[in-house]
Amino acid sequence: NAGVTQTPKFRILKIGQSMTLQCAQDMNHNYMYWYRQDPGMGLKLIYYSVGAGITDKGEVPNGYNVSRSTTEDFPLRLELAAPSQTSVYFCASSYEGTYGYTFGSGTRLTVV
Amino acid sequence: AQSVTQPDIHITVSEGASLELRCNYSYGATPYLFWYVQSPGQGLQLLLKYFSGDTLVQGIKGFEAEFKRSQSSFNLRKPSVHWSDAAEYFCAVGVREYGNKLVFGAGTILRVKS
Repeated sequence: NAGVTQTPKFRILKIGQSMTLQCAQDMNHNYMYWYRQDPGMGLKLIYYSVGAGITDKGEVPNGYNVSRSTTEDFPLRLELAAPSQTSVYFCASSYEGTYGYTFGSGTRLTVV
Repeated sequence: AQSVTQPDIHITVSEGASLELRCNYSYGATPYLFWYVQSPGQGLQLLLKYFSGDTLVQGIKGFEAEFKRSQSSFNLRKPSVHWSDAAEYFCAVGVREYGNKLVFGAGTILRVKS
């Protein structure tokens, strides 16, 4: 089925470890986003990309990095995991930033 | 700065009763407004959106929302709630920065009692 695929669905990290959250879409959307969701806080934008090779910071980028080498993939990298990064992470995509977001099912990350 | 307020953290309604979830936004320009629903362990699904035109917007699953510019509100309604509507609901406003990001409210958790 067409859509946004996120892996893994769950992960537990120790403080200081690193990991990459994967996100892939097969709808040929050029805009892609990473949000984090914390209880009672809604979703906050971490990074976004308007096309392959172009990425930019969102509201809460500290502690994260992204790359966009292809239209389909937009991985999110955590270099030195901290407890404050415990959250649910959502990847989303849209065509030309038209707000018709398609969300992935999320990655629940716990840092201990 | 742009913001979205959902005043109710939790709402409980009886199955078959009507529902209204409140949403107020703050945005200097003409807003693009959205309601999303999130079932436990799932991603967000778009219920409906308002860009312009008729201020009463129909969505999926029998939901509707009304845009009231004078009140900066975009409340979500459903005439008769089903047990399967139990979920978390997010209101969002689209802003023309950060790649046309969405600014989300904190969410309202809907519980349906039988």
